[in-house]
Amino acid sequence: GAGVSQSPRYKVAKRGQDVALRCDPISGHVSLFWYQQALGQGPEFLTYFQNEAQLDKSGLPSDRFFAERPEGSVSTLKIQRTQQEDSAVYLCASTTSRGTSTGTEAFFGQGTRLTVV
Amino acid sequence: AQSVTQLGSHVSVSEGALVLLRCNYSSSVPPYLFWYVQYPNQGLQLLLKYTSAATLVKGINGFEAEFKKSETSFHLTKPSAHMSDAAEYFCAVTRPYAGNMLTFGGGTRLMVKP
Repeated sequence: GAGVSQSPRYKVAKRGQDVALRCDPISGHVSLFWYQQALGQGPEFLTYFQNEAQLDKSGLPSDRFFAERPEGSVSTLKIQRTQQEDSAVYLCASTTSRGTSTGTEAFFGQGTRLTVV
Repeated sequence: AQSVTQLGSHVSVSEGALVLLRCNYSSSVPPYLFWYVQYPNQGLQLLLKYTSAATLVKGINGFEAEFKKSETSFHLTKPSAHMSDAAEYFCAVTRPYAGNMLTFGGGTRLMVKP
């Protein structure tokens, strides 16, 4: 497709359940980002990949959060033993350049809304 | 460290009135600045960006923003609001050629009254 695609769009998980969120970036985009957007707040950085290398995971809130991008394209964000505070929209973004620090536009997907009950 | 403050979580204007959404940043180095718009149940879309060229930046849908270093501000304006402008607006900052992520403000929800 032409844009960043995320699936599922909505996910309801019972507390303690593991979830996997998928991101298909724009073809050829080098950089991929995951952000967490809590209700009524701005997105917060979780992690960053350049091709298959995870260069920054400083924003992951706990060791229950894990992200991968094994072939440098599709990425998966996994949350183990979900808790209510994990409820948020998870946004994926990709850019052509190495990060957004070059001023290059980041293209965002529609996000996955995770609700933990 | 860098941060972004958006004054006013909600702004309401009448259709045809001036839109002014405020953004102030904190950065140890001259930053790159962005404004994104988010429509309901959609991802973020870039409106405009400042990357150390002209301080007055024009974006899509008639929006523009002016980088004022002395005021550490990057306010977003539009001369005449349209109903379709109703959305959530986010200001974001990144450090040139250093950090790789965007740091976002808390967002401002713009409501346009007929």
